[in-house]
Amino acid sequence: GAGVSQTPSNKVTEKGKYVELRCDPISGHTALYWYRQSLGQGPEFLIYFQGTGAADDSGLPNDRFFAVRPEGSVSTLKIQRTERGDSAMYLCASGPGQGNEQYFGPGTRLTVT
Amino acid sequence: GQNIDQPTEMTATEGAIVQINCTYQTSGFNGLFWYQQHAGEAPTFLSYNVLDGLEEKGRFSSFLSRSKGYSYLLLKELQMKDSASYLCAVRDRKSNYQLIWGAGTKLIIKP
Repeated sequence: GAGVSQTPSNKVTEKGKYVELRCDPISGHTALYWYRQSLGQGPEFLIYFQGTGAADDSGLPNDRFFAVRPEGSVSTLKIQRTERGDSAMYLCASGPGQGNEQYFGPGTRLTVT
Repeated sequence: GQNIDQPTEMTATEGAIVQINCTYQTSGFNGLFWYQQHAGEAPTFLSYNVLDGLEEKGRFSSFLSRSKGYSYLLLKELQMKDSASYLCAVRDRKSNYQLIWGAGTKLIIKP
């Protein structure tokens, strides 16, 4: 079946702008994760959804970052007033439940100029 | 605190065997994962260990010793396509079962 998809694959934006990154998980997966990854580093946890609710948002770096999953499927990561330091690969992963293996999407490369 | 250590880079020869080590310090260990990540691509799941011992899956095997806070990923019959980063990740009860990720080991395969 179809894997996790993310759009856009690349996003270039100017400092101070607002961006939305979309994740479409594997059908039936209740767990959804957002990560941020910089070159040469492992993924950095941002937020975890179980169904529609954010079960753990302790990884969001500040209040400029927000994510939703209104119907328990597609999720959107929203970043306000982008800064150059937000430039990274943003990865989404889904899984059949909390703690199980995670299946990653191809990522969105965000560049803030 | 939480800490995961892996070598930054390793080099091996096509057809050979390589062992990638991972040591961890967590207060609520609840399983260890290995992922493979090719440059510019997303990580893909390789293996999962929660009990001590060796889990074998084709050319790849993963070992865990909980008492030593140690795991390794063993790759046999290396192929050029195995050139990638290998990420160790630990699930931690004290962190709401989120995965704590190592920085990854970049494996370079030479002919």
